[in-house]
Amino acid sequence: DTGVSQDPRHKITKRGQNVTFRCDPISEHNRLYWYRQTLGQGPEFLTYFQNEAQLEKSRLLSDRFSAERPKGSFSTLEIQRTEQGDSAMYLCASSLIDAGNDEQYFGPGTRLTVT
Amino acid sequence: GQQVMQIPQYQHVQEGEDFTTYCNSSTTLSNIQWYKQRPGGHPVFLIQLVKSGEVKKQKRLTFQFGEAKKNSSLHITATQTTDVGTYFCAGPGTNAGKSTFGDGTTLTVKP
Repeated sequence: DTGVSQDPRHKITKRGQNVTFRCDPISEHNRLYWYRQTLGQGPEFLTYFQNEAQLEKSRLLSDRFSAERPKGSFSTLEIQRTEQGDSAMYLCASSLIDAGNDEQYFGPGTRLTVT
Repeated sequence: GQQVMQIPQYQHVQEGEDFTTYCNSSTTLSNIQWYKQRPGGHPVFLIQLVKSGEVKKQKRLTFQFGEAKKNSSLHITATQTTDVGTYFCAGPGTNAGKSTFGDGTTLTVKP
């Protein structure tokens, strides 16, 4: 399967614990995005990378959230001291930016439940 | 900040009826993208529109980008049960890498 993969697919954690999610983009894609989606809402932008550089982070994102893409390939999203409000689907997407087209390919997501 | 709004939030149609969803941005967009998300699935890219007044067709789906590049629509002719899902529009922010998604229109089709 050459699509975007995410691990784990589901995560249940207790409030206050740290969690880390992984995203493996399509191999030749240079952009990688993280989104959060709750029921009835569209994907909410969190951050994105072009190669290994993190170019933008949502102002709505608290300091408890951090993302890395150390070698410009896979990425990790860490949430520290989780809160119940962090419960959501975390989506990763990748794209190959070229002239005028930024089609994003989404992974299956990681569903986080904070109890 | 940029806002992208979609109407209606829900649409229930009888199979064979037409369906239209509308997308409005608070700012002028350099382009707009449409995605479809099936129940329990993830968003899947449908199309990108770039030019003012652009119209593109994919079989029974017709996408339009407004002249002012602040609005867009998706029209489905003669809906089928396979069209069920939530349709999102998304526009880039001031930094082209960021996409702002609308909250989607959820289409249900009664056979």
